[in-house]
Order: sequence, then C-alpha cells, then structure tokens
Amino acid sequence: ETGVTQTPRHLVMGMTNKKSLKCEQHLGHNAMYWYKQSAKKPLELMFVYSLEERVENNSVPSRFSPECPNSSHLFLHLHTLQPEDSALYLCASSLAVLSYNEQFFGPGTRLTVL
Amino acid sequence: ELKVEQNPLFLSMQEGKNYTIYCNYSTTSDRLYWYRQDPGKSLESLFVLLSNGAVKQEGRLMASLDTKARLSTLHITAAVHDLSATYFCAVALTGTASKLTFGTGTRLQVTL
Repeated sequence: ETGVTQTPRHLVMGMTNKKSLKCEQHLGHNAMYWYKQSAKKPLELMFVYSLEERVENNSVPSRFSPECPNSSHLFLHLHTLQPEDSALYLCASSLAVLSYNEQFFGPGTRLTVL
Repeated sequence: ELKVEQNPLFLSMQEGKNYTIYCNYSTTSDRLYWYRQDPGKSLESLFVLLSNGAVKQEGRLMASLDTKARLSTLHITAAVHDLSATYFCAVALTGTASKLTFGTGTRLQVTL
C-alpha cells in the first residue's frame, strides 16, 4: 500500500449505529487530518493530529470522536449521527504540522446516514 | 476569519482554449495550495506557492501568487478533455501551517 488509504470506502448507517472510519498513511508523515466534504460546501477541517496529539478541534460535535494511536493511523468514531452528517470524509497527512508541505489526501469514505 | 473565494464556480470551455481561475482570500497568508479532484475521487496536490510572485507550471497548468493582492490564479493553456475536474485553492494563515481553508472549488468541464 502506498500513500494514504481509508476504509471503508462507502458506509451506510442508521442514526443509532456506532461505526468507525479508519485512515492509514504510508508516507512517514507526522501530521494527520480529518476533513468533511459536503455537497456544495467547501472542504471543512475537523481535526488535526501531530505525533498522536490532537492540536486542532474545529468545533466539531461530540458525536464525532477521533483517535490517533500512532503517527500512521487515524480513526474517526461515529455515534448517534444525524442525516446532515452524510458527506465524504477525507483523511490527509503531511510531513509535519508546522511545515509548508502540502497535505496528501486519501480516497475518502462516502458516509450516508439514514 | 479567513475567507477564500474562487471564481468562476463552474467553467465550460472548449478544447484548445485558454482560461484563468481566480482565488481571492481575505487575510494575510504566506502559502497557497492548488488541488484537483476528479468526480468520486480524492484531492490531488497540484501546486504549492510559498512566496509573493511565485509561479509554478506543470503541463498546461500554471499557478501564480500575489500576496499583496491576496490573489492566486490558475491558468489553463490549450485545454484538453483530461483537465475536466474540480479545482480547489486552499490557504493557510501565517503561522498556522496545519489549518487550511479551502475555496468552494471551480468545476471545469472541457468539451470536445
């Protein structure tokens, strides 16, 4: 595997379900990010992790819970979501948080909340 | 609050034509990124612009940055169908390297 991978690629869940999104980067980067991409809205930054420590939390509802067990893996735990949370969730990584390097994105997880 | 605006939001152009996409942002920044997204796919990094007057070119795409005007342009030369995609600019506030604010995107459709 190369670059940034995400699983699952598609997820349909009910409002009472609990699920998790997984992201893995194979680039040796130290920073990882979660973004939400909704239809007709700009990409929104949700969380930023640097060396497993959360450094940014962009006023995201508590029904989204990130976890970064090591610098290569990032999870987004989901529970009691709302239909408006349906979106494409993108994971990204970069060399470091305080660098000018671009962020590399994974293929995304298309989430539908019924 | 940093705002990033792109225009046009949608662009339909014929193969062989030239056109420019504009990205304006509201607050001082020292770096700007351009990304491409194909339908149903992820974002692919195109350019990283780090200083005033920076110009980068890759194939038929050329990006420039004017930090004084808070403006970046993405110029398309002699468009081909393969360039059809959505193009995003993203800006980071000075001193906040990790926090990118994205524009709404420009959907480019190149017709034969």
